[in-house]
Amino acid sequence: KQEVTQIPAALSVPEGENLVLNCSFTDSAIYNLQWFRQDPGKGLTSLLLIQSSQREQTSGRLNASLDKSSGRSTLYIAASQPGDSATYLCAVNNNDMRFGAGTRLTVKP
Amino acid sequence: DGGITQSPKYLFRKEGQNVTLSCEQNLNHDAMYWYRQDPGQGLRLIYYSQIVNDFQKGDIAEGYSVSREKKESFPLTVTSAQKNPTAFYLCASSTQQGASDTQYFGPGTRLTVL
Repeated sequence: KQEVTQIPAALSVPEGENLVLNCSFTDSAIYNLQWFRQDPGKGLTSLLLIQSSQREQTSGRLNASLDKSSGRSTLYIAASQPGDSATYLCAVNNNDMRFGAGTRLTVKP
Repeated sequence: DGGITQSPKYLFRKEGQNVTLSCEQNLNHDAMYWYRQDPGQGLRLIYYSQIVNDFQKGDIAEGYSVSREKKESFPLTVTSAQKNPTAFYLCASSTQQGASDTQYFGPGTRLTVL
């Protein structure tokens, strides 16, 4: 059974810092990996989707990488802003979606 | 506007009651899903449906039931057999189950047992 782990569980940074969120998974036979954002009490918003044949995806200040062989993905956020404060969830799709517990990010003004 | 709607936003259940959570999508997606989210945990799959009149159990189906009579709708009933139902419930849809594209999520329903 696929296990997805996210480290750290929580992260607090000052505004303007670049930061990296980590996701690891145990079964490398995946279709794709997604990063989601969740604001408190809200649903999930898809940020980036990386197909199994891809190494990375970029959207604005966000860059996600995928290394299937090592079972790892990172989400890089450049020049963080207070509006980036949210929980970031990693999900791995190998016919079923498996979610990590998330990293709760706080960006302080 | 295309998207997924869930209602109600907040729901309170007394002991022994069944309650039904609504999920509607107008994205013309074949697949729909129900997840449960508990504090500090990832989403766990309750049920999913690949097509109308068909659905499959997920990891934590006990105490829940679903129906898929219409493509647009996938209601979840939390029965009295579910011993710890207090949680945040999320509905999602995608073009196909297990497909390479994304799942789209509704805003969620927070269920509290009184």
